[in-house]
Amino acid sequence: DVVMTQSPLSLPVTLGQPASISCRSSQSLVHSDGNTYLNWFQQRPGQSPRRLIYKVSNRDSGVPDRFSGSGSGTDFTLKISRVEAEDVGVYYCMQATHWPRTFGQGTKVEIK
Amino acid sequence: EVQLVESGGGLVQPGGSLRLSCAASGFMFSDYYMDWVRQAPGKGLEWVGRSRNKAYSYTPEYAASVKGRFTISRDDSTNSLYLQMNSLKTDDTAVYYCARDNTGTYDYWGQGTLVTVSS
Repeated sequence: DVVMTQSPLSLPVTLGQPASISCRSSQSLVHSDGNTYLNWFQQRPGQSPRRLIYKVSNRDSGVPDRFSGSGSGTDFTLKISRVEAEDVGVYYCMQATHWPRTFGQGTKVEIK
Repeated sequence: EVQLVESGGGLVQPGGSLRLSCAASGFMFSDYYMDWVRQAPGKGLEWVGRSRNKAYSYTPEYAASVKGRFTISRDDSTNSLYLQMNSLKTDDTAVYYCARDNTGTYDYWGQGTLVTVSS
């Protein structure tokens, strides 16, 4: 199975400051169809996961533009340009290029 | 509006069985693959299994950790997805989510249902 490794696992951030989460895969996530199926999900406390980003950098409708995804191959990043209180939660990357789908361990974002 | 609502969770003894349901609405259920994903208390997300759609003969797939014990089925006439869990172990304790697959992503998740396996 493809191993997804996130860092850091805990990310204390000051309100209004940027935050960055790394996700590395044990194999390239470029699919034979040319797409890279790397997703980012946000899980706020007590809630179910919510998709933020799909195919590396496509933001879901309703997701604030302070969230952005980038990367290629095996190395991906989720950035929050200015952290707000509502961004507290755990963020997961997930690959869907290889079978079975696998998730990163999660990165807990909290306010300092 | 797309909605996924899980039910059927509860407390069960090791070795017991439980059947989870996921009621879908707001989209053409029969067109989509549907997955089960679980989350043990305080832990991360783990893919459990998949139900393909009619076009792919509803062929299921299972994680190695549940293969032979769990069975996924669906009823397109009632827009329902099921997870039959047998021979439950304490390690199966988790919140179970159903999620809609949409070409390499999960675009909708249910609220989850908690399964506790304990004596």
